[in-house]
Amino acid sequence: DAGVIQSPRHEVTEMGQEVTLRCKPISGHDYLFWYRQTMMRGLELLIYFNNNVPIDDSGMPEDRFSAKMPNASFSTLKIQPSEPRDSAVYFCASSFFGPANYGYTFGSGTRLTVV
Amino acid sequence: GDSVTQMEGPVTLSEEAFLTINCTYTATGYPSLFWYVQYPGEGLQLLLKATKADDKGSNKGFEATYRKETTSFHLEKGSVQVSDSAVYFCALLFSSGSARQLTFGSGTQLTVLP
Repeated sequence: DAGVIQSPRHEVTEMGQEVTLRCKPISGHDYLFWYRQTMMRGLELLIYFNNNVPIDDSGMPEDRFSAKMPNASFSTLKIQPSEPRDSAVYFCASSFFGPANYGYTFGSGTRLTVV
Repeated sequence: GDSVTQMEGPVTLSEEAFLTINCTYTATGYPSLFWYVQYPGEGLQLLLKATKADDKGSNKGFEATYRKETTSFHLEKGSVQVSDSAVYFCALLFSSGSARQLTFGSGTQLTVLP
């Protein structure tokens, strides 16, 4: 398995532009999570899905952020309009909570810079 | 709510030294506990886990024991290598129905010098 695949790896955009981050989870995993990592705030859970349905989006910072999971193999995180304070590394993770596996598998992340 | 407190970093050790990174937690019920490792420019990787009290997780020479009485899950390694230099995160998993919440500590930067 190729693992959790995120794209792009790096994104530089101007303030006010729309940004879309993409994630392909591991096949067979029924949970998908979006995290944001910054030096100041560490790892923050933004939103997660179970069987493509959002379960908890209380970590989404504001209405500029939105996430979708149209099918089991794809999810997007969109920021519109982007602001410099959104600069961070965004991680996607997936998991299958069977009886013997409680670990998450993380993607390599998207480093977003908003100038 | 549930929370994880990790030993403040950074930690700098010489190769072959003994490593301990402290982790304590606050949780209702009996969470599963994890250690993740993050190498520069990469995502987090699961290092080890323990799902119930007194369980010992181990991997790559690292160990941690789930201590319910002290609400702790300290990470240890008897002899560190330069390649162990990374950021280590303690985490706990809350599960209820379809809800899943993996809460991370702030991370501890480890640097091992040759």
